[in-house]
Amino acid sequence: GIQVEQSPPDLILQEGANSTLRCNFSDSVNNLQWFHQNPWGQLINLFYIPSGTKQNGRLSATTVATERYSLLYISSSQTTDSGVYFCAVLSPGGGADGLTFGKGTHLIIQP
Amino acid sequence: NAGVTQTPKFRVLKTGQSMTLLCAQDMNHEYMYWYRQDPGMGLRLIHYSVGEGTTAKGEVPDGYNVSRLKKQNFLLGLESAAPSQTSVYFCASTFDRGLNTEAFFGQGTRLTVV
Repeated sequence: GIQVEQSPPDLILQEGANSTLRCNFSDSVNNLQWFHQNPWGQLINLFYIPSGTKQNGRLSATTVATERYSLLYISSSQTTDSGVYFCAVLSPGGGADGLTFGKGTHLIIQP
Repeated sequence: NAGVTQTPKFRVLKTGQSMTLLCAQDMNHEYMYWYRQDPGMGLRLIHYSVGEGTTAKGEVPDGYNVSRLKKQNFLLGLESAAPSQTSVYFCASTFDRGLNTEAFFGQGTRLTVV
């Protein structure tokens, strides 16, 4: 099956810093999503971005499907950005196997 | 618009007990999924359904059963709970698997088996 690798696994930043999280995947995809899992365990949809670039406030994401990677940018970090960021993909083809998740990037924003 | 709702949010079971987790979605989605999340890991697919009356196995199906009697509901059952099933369980749904595949997740169910 498709493999998803996220980097870095852990990231500690000061409030106000910018960061870039990376997601590499091993095959073509027809869905790529970024999620933020907050300290209470909730999974929050950030972006649905199988290709192209999207922005939402301080967050933006870019997926280069032909090169099989996606980047999540967080600017002017706030302590509320802390948590785990997951990339998840869905490969085309038969069946409905659901999203395949990476292991996540654990982000800590210190005040 | 509630989206995807899971019941219960927390549960503690004794080894050997049974329980059912309920997932309900109000978005008229065809596809529904059950995942589990273990510490330090991403989510892994347990079972899924491509429509009312259908179910299929995912990556880690052993020890679980599912049913999709109504389009809006997807039930996950544990017949004889084991400590290895201590985990956080998430339900998700998508409209289809073609052009509109954005997945929406419930808030999770934290299950502890003692």
